[in-house]
Amino acid sequence: QVQLVQSGAEVKKPGASVKVSCKVSGYTFTDYYIHWVRQAPGQGLEWMGYINPNRGATNYAQKFQGSVTMTGDTSITTAYMTLRRLTSGDTAVYYCAMSAGTTDWFDPWGQGTPVIVSS
Amino acid sequence: EIVLTQSPGTLSLSPGERATLSCRASQSVGSNYLAWYQQKPGQAPKLLIYGASSRATGIPDRFSGSGSGTDFTLTISRLEPEDFAVYYCQQYGTFFGPGTKVEIK
Repeated sequence: QVQLVQSGAEVKKPGASVKVSCKVSGYTFTDYYIHWVRQAPGQGLEWMGYINPNRGATNYAQKFQGSVTMTGDTSITTAYMTLRRLTSGDTAVYYCAMSAGTTDWFDPWGQGTPVIVSS
Repeated sequence: EIVLTQSPGTLSLSPGERATLSCRASQSVGSNYLAWYQQKPGQAPKLLIYGASSRATGIPDRFSGSGSGTDFTLTISRLEPEDFAVYYCQQYGTFFGPGTKVEIK
Protein backbone atom coordinates (compact mmCIF):
# COMPACT_ATOMS: atom_id res chain seq x y z
CA GLN A 1 0.00 0.00 0.00
CA VAL A 2 1.36 3.37 -1.03
CA GLN A 3 1.85 5.74 1.90
CA LEU A 4 3.18 9.27 2.28
CA VAL A 5 4.01 10.29 5.86
CA GLN A 6 5.01 13.87 6.57
CA SER A 7 7.01 15.48 9.34
CA GLY A 8 5.38 17.26 12.25
CA ALA A 9 4.12 20.76 12.79
CA GLU A 10 6.54 23.69 12.68
CA VAL A 11 6.52 27.16 14.21
CA LYS A 12 8.88 29.66 12.61
CA LYS A 13 9.68 33.34 12.89
CA PRO A 14 9.36 35.68 9.91
CA GLY A 15 12.46 35.57 7.72
CA ALA A 16 13.34 32.01 8.70
CA SER A 17 13.24 28.88 6.55
CA VAL A 18 11.28 25.66 7.01
CA LYS A 19 12.03 22.18 5.68
CA VAL A 20 9.17 19.69 5.49
CA SER A 21 9.76 16.02 4.79
CA CYS A 22 7.59 13.41 3.06
CA LYS A 23 8.54 9.76 3.62
CA VAL A 24 7.16 7.47 0.93
CA SER A 25 6.69 3.72 1.09
CA GLY A 26 4.95 0.98 -0.83
CA TYR A 27 6.14 1.92 -4.30
CA THR A 28 9.33 2.57 -6.24
CA PHE A 29 10.22 6.08 -5.11
CA THR A 30 12.09 7.01 -8.26
CA ASP A 31 9.29 6.04 -10.65
CA TYR A 32 6.92 8.84 -9.64
CA TYR A 33 6.66 12.55 -8.99
CA ILE A 34 6.15 14.23 -5.63
CA HIS A 35 4.12 17.42 -5.67
CA TRP A 36 3.74 19.97 -2.90
CA VAL A 37 0.43 21.74 -2.29
CA ARG A 38 -0.36 24.20 0.47
CA GLN A 39 -3.59 25.39 2.05
CA ALA A 40 -3.79 28.59 4.07
CA PRO A 41 -6.36 28.68 6.89
CA GLY A 42 -9.87 28.67 5.44
CA GLN A 43 -8.55 28.83 1.89
CA GLY A 44 -8.27 26.54 -1.13
CA LEU A 45 -5.47 24.36 -2.47
CA GLU A 46 -2.40 26.00 -3.96
CA TRP A 47 -0.01 23.94 -6.09
CA MET A 48 3.64 24.80 -5.42
CA GLY A 49 5.56 22.47 -7.73
CA TYR A 50 7.01 19.00 -8.06
CA ILE A 51 10.18 16.94 -8.04
CA ASN A 52 11.08 13.74 -9.81
CA PRO A 53 13.38 12.10 -7.26
CA ASN A 54 15.05 9.91 -9.87
CA ARG A 55 16.57 12.73 -11.86
CA GLY A 56 16.17 15.54 -9.40
CA ALA A 57 14.14 17.40 -12.00
CA THR A 58 11.91 20.08 -10.55
CA ASN A 59 9.20 22.44 -11.73
CA TYR A 60 8.07 25.25 -9.46
CA ALA A 61 4.98 27.40 -9.80
CA GLN A 62 6.03 30.89 -10.79
CA LYS A 63 4.85 32.34 -7.49
CA PHE A 64 7.36 30.23 -5.57
CA GLN A 65 10.38 30.46 -7.83
CA GLY A 66 13.29 31.82 -5.83
CA SER A 67 11.79 30.93 -2.47
CA VAL A 68 11.19 27.15 -2.63
CA THR A 69 13.51 24.21 -3.15
CA MET A 70 12.31 20.64 -3.57
CA THR A 71 14.75 17.78 -3.12
CA GLY A 72 14.72 14.02 -2.71
CA ASP A 73 16.89 11.44 -0.98
CA THR A 74 16.45 8.16 -2.81
CA SER A 75 18.41 6.23 -0.16
CA ILE A 76 15.67 6.86 2.41
CA THR A 77 12.79 7.41 -0.06
CA THR A 78 12.07 10.84 1.33
CA ALA A 79 11.19 14.08 -0.42
CA TYR A 80 11.75 17.51 1.07
CA MET A 81 10.33 20.98 0.55
CA THR A 82 12.26 23.98 1.83
CA LEU A 83 10.59 27.39 1.88
CA ARG A 84 12.77 30.39 2.61
CA ARG A 85 12.19 33.96 3.80
CA LEU A 86 8.96 33.06 5.53
CA THR A 87 6.22 35.62 6.12
CA SER A 88 2.88 35.36 7.91
CA GLY A 89 1.35 34.69 4.50
CA ASP A 90 3.16 31.34 4.43
CA THR A 91 1.17 30.08 7.41
CA ALA A 92 -0.58 27.03 5.97
CA VAL A 93 -0.86 23.27 5.94
CA TYR A 94 1.64 21.82 3.48
CA TYR A 95 0.81 18.56 1.71
CA CYS A 96 2.88 16.24 -0.40
CA ALA A 97 1.13 14.13 -3.02
CA MET A 98 2.20 11.59 -5.61
CA SER A 99 1.58 11.47 -9.34
CA ALA A 100 2.69 9.03 -12.02
CA GLY A 101 3.66 11.79 -14.43
CA THR A 102 4.06 15.53 -14.69
CA THR A 103 0.51 15.84 -16.01
CA ASP A 104 -1.40 13.38 -13.87
CA TRP A 105 -3.78 13.23 -10.97
CA PHE A 106 -2.56 13.31 -7.36
CA ASP A 107 -3.01 10.13 -5.36
CA PRO A 108 -2.23 9.44 -2.58
CA TRP A 109 -1.57 12.46 -0.36
CA GLY A 110 0.39 12.89 2.83
CA GLN A 111 -1.44 13.82 6.00
CA GLY A 112 -0.26 17.44 5.91
CA THR A 113 2.22 19.48 7.92
CA PRO A 114 1.02 22.69 9.61
CA VAL A 115 3.51 25.53 9.41
CA ILE A 116 2.87 28.61 11.53
CA VAL A 117 4.87 31.77 10.91
CA SER A 118 4.65 34.15 13.82
CA SER A 119 6.89 36.60 15.62
CA GLU B 1 -2.00 28.97 -17.63
CA ILE B 2 -5.50 27.55 -17.46
CA VAL B 3 -7.71 29.12 -14.77
CA LEU B 4 -10.44 26.96 -13.24
CA THR B 5 -13.67 28.45 -11.91
CA GLN B 6 -16.06 26.45 -9.75
CA SER B 7 -19.72 27.12 -9.07
CA PRO B 8 -21.58 27.51 -6.91
CA GLY B 9 -19.27 28.53 -4.10
CA THR B 10 -21.58 26.87 -1.58
CA LEU B 11 -24.33 24.33 -2.14
CA SER B 12 -26.88 23.82 0.66
CA LEU B 13 -28.68 20.52 0.33
CA SER B 14 -30.30 17.81 2.43
CA PRO B 15 -29.20 14.17 2.68
CA GLY B 16 -30.72 12.18 -0.16
CA GLU B 17 -30.74 15.11 -2.57
CA ARG B 18 -28.75 15.33 -5.79
CA ALA B 19 -25.71 17.62 -5.95
CA THR B 20 -24.41 19.10 -9.19
CA LEU B 21 -21.06 20.90 -9.08
CA SER B 22 -19.56 22.79 -12.00
CA CYS B 23 -15.95 23.39 -13.01
CA ARG B 24 -15.20 25.67 -15.94
CA ALA B 25 -11.76 26.17 -17.52
CA SER B 26 -10.50 29.34 -19.20
CA GLN B 27 -9.14 27.20 -22.06
CA SER B 28 -9.80 23.69 -23.25
CA VAL B 29 -8.42 21.01 -20.92
CA GLY B 30 -6.67 18.68 -23.34
CA SER B 31 -7.42 14.97 -23.27
CA ASN B 32 -9.86 15.55 -20.40
CA TYR B 33 -6.96 15.87 -17.99
CA LEU B 34 -9.25 16.89 -15.15
CA ALA B 35 -9.60 15.45 -11.65
CA TRP B 36 -11.97 15.99 -8.73
CA TYR B 37 -11.03 15.78 -5.05
CA GLN B 38 -13.02 15.73 -1.83
CA GLN B 39 -11.71 17.36 1.32
CA LYS B 40 -13.23 17.07 4.77
CA PRO B 41 -12.22 19.34 7.68
CA GLY B 42 -8.83 18.48 9.10
CA GLN B 43 -8.11 15.91 6.39
CA ALA B 44 -6.01 15.77 3.27
CA PRO B 45 -7.81 15.90 -0.08
CA LYS B 46 -8.89 12.57 -1.54
CA LEU B 47 -9.04 11.71 -5.22
CA LEU B 48 -12.58 11.02 -6.43
CA ILE B 49 -12.52 11.28 -10.23
CA TYR B 50 -9.75 11.31 -12.84
CA GLY B 51 -9.89 11.65 -16.59
CA ALA B 52 -13.02 13.76 -16.06
CA SER B 53 -15.24 10.69 -15.61
CA SER B 54 -13.35 7.72 -14.14
CA ARG B 55 -13.95 6.92 -10.48
CA ALA B 56 -10.89 6.33 -8.33
CA THR B 57 -10.52 3.04 -6.48
CA GLY B 58 -13.08 2.59 -3.74
CA ILE B 59 -15.22 5.61 -4.66
CA PRO B 60 -18.96 4.84 -4.51
CA ASP B 61 -20.93 4.92 -7.74
CA ARG B 62 -23.14 7.74 -6.49
CA PHE B 63 -20.22 9.97 -7.55
CA SER B 64 -19.95 10.61 -11.28
CA GLY B 65 -17.99 13.01 -13.44
CA SER B 66 -18.75 14.28 -16.91
CA GLY B 67 -17.80 16.95 -19.40
CA SER B 68 -15.06 17.83 -21.82
CA GLY B 69 -13.22 20.80 -23.23
CA THR B 70 -13.93 23.66 -20.86
CA ASP B 71 -17.02 22.50 -18.94
CA PHE B 72 -17.00 19.71 -16.38
CA THR B 73 -19.50 18.47 -13.82
CA LEU B 74 -19.32 16.39 -10.67
CA THR B 75 -22.63 14.82 -9.69
CA ILE B 76 -23.48 13.15 -6.40
CA SER B 77 -26.69 11.28 -7.10
CA ARG B 78 -27.94 10.98 -3.51
CA LEU B 79 -26.08 12.78 -0.77
CA GLU B 80 -24.99 10.69 2.18
CA PRO B 81 -24.05 12.36 5.51
CA GLU B 82 -20.35 11.71 4.84
CA ASP B 83 -20.49 13.55 1.49
CA PHE B 84 -20.79 17.01 3.05
CA ALA B 85 -17.36 18.44 2.32
CA VAL B 86 -15.45 20.74 -0.03
CA TYR B 87 -14.85 19.60 -3.61
CA TYR B 88 -12.02 20.80 -5.84
CA CYS B 89 -11.39 20.31 -9.53
CA GLN B 90 -7.84 20.29 -10.89
CA GLN B 91 -6.16 20.35 -14.24
CA TYR B 92 -3.74 17.46 -14.02
CA GLY B 93 -0.51 18.21 -12.29
CA THR B 94 -1.06 21.86 -11.57
CA PHE B 95 -3.60 24.33 -10.31
CA PHE B 96 -6.90 23.77 -8.56
CA GLY B 97 -10.25 25.49 -8.76
CA PRO B 98 -11.36 27.50 -5.71
CA GLY B 99 -13.67 24.75 -4.47
CA THR B 100 -17.37 24.17 -3.83
CA LYS B 101 -18.56 23.58 -0.30
CA VAL B 102 -21.47 21.17 0.00
CA GLU B 103 -23.17 21.88 3.30
CA ILE B 104 -26.19 20.46 5.11
CA LYS B 105 -29.31 22.53 4.60
